[in-house]
Amino acid sequence: GENVEQHPSTLSVQEGDSAVIKCTYSDSASNYFPWYKQELGKGPQLIIDIRSNVGEKKDQRIAVTLNKTAKHFSLHITETQPEDSAVYFCAVPPGYSTLTFGKGTMLLVSP
Amino acid sequence: ETGVTQSPTHLIKTRGQQVTLRCSSQSGHNTVSWYQQALGQGPQFIFQYYREEENGRGNFPPRFSGLQFPNYSSELNVNALELDDSALYLCASSLRRGQAWNEQFFGPGTRLTVL
Repeated sequence: GENVEQHPSTLSVQEGDSAVIKCTYSDSASNYFPWYKQELGKGPQLIIDIRSNVGEKKDQRIAVTLNKTAKHFSLHITETQPEDSAVYFCAVPPGYSTLTFGKGTMLLVSP
Repeated sequence: ETGVTQSPTHLIKTRGQQVTLRCSSQSGHNTVSWYQQALGQGPQFIFQYYREEENGRGNFPPRFSGLQFPNYSSELNVNALELDDSALYLCASSLRRGQAWNEQFFGPGTRLTVL
């Protein structure tokens, strides 16, 4: 089955710094790559996704880059703010019904 | 907010009991997926329902079962509860059209504690 690895497991930054979280996957057939943000006591919320026909997608302070040859994709958050503090998950769909999630990255943004 | 609701919010059961969790999908969505999220882990896929039929299942035993109703709401049933079943159970709804992957919207989850 699909193997998804996410690094780092925790990331501490100062407000205004950039944060990068990387995810690697094993199934070369995957063609959809979402990132989710989960705040305490809430379900995961999709923040950005990318499909395999593009290499980068940006939405304000958040961007995702995809390298299909190397089988990895990354989440980039610029100008971090305290409200960005949460757990971030990458996910890969090995099929049309499932999502395989990484183990998550706890991002802490200090004021 | 995603428009996906789950009930109850919290639940405490004892080992061996049975539990039913409920999910109302976002308006217009025809697919519901269930995930189990243990503390400190990413969500793990349990199964998916599409048009009232199971449409994919993860590595979970048969005592995990589900239903989808004509209004696309769904139930997750777990029999013979074990301590390891303690987790956050997440429901996600999506609109399936053909074979393309479509965004899943998650509910807030049900926190199940098995004593």
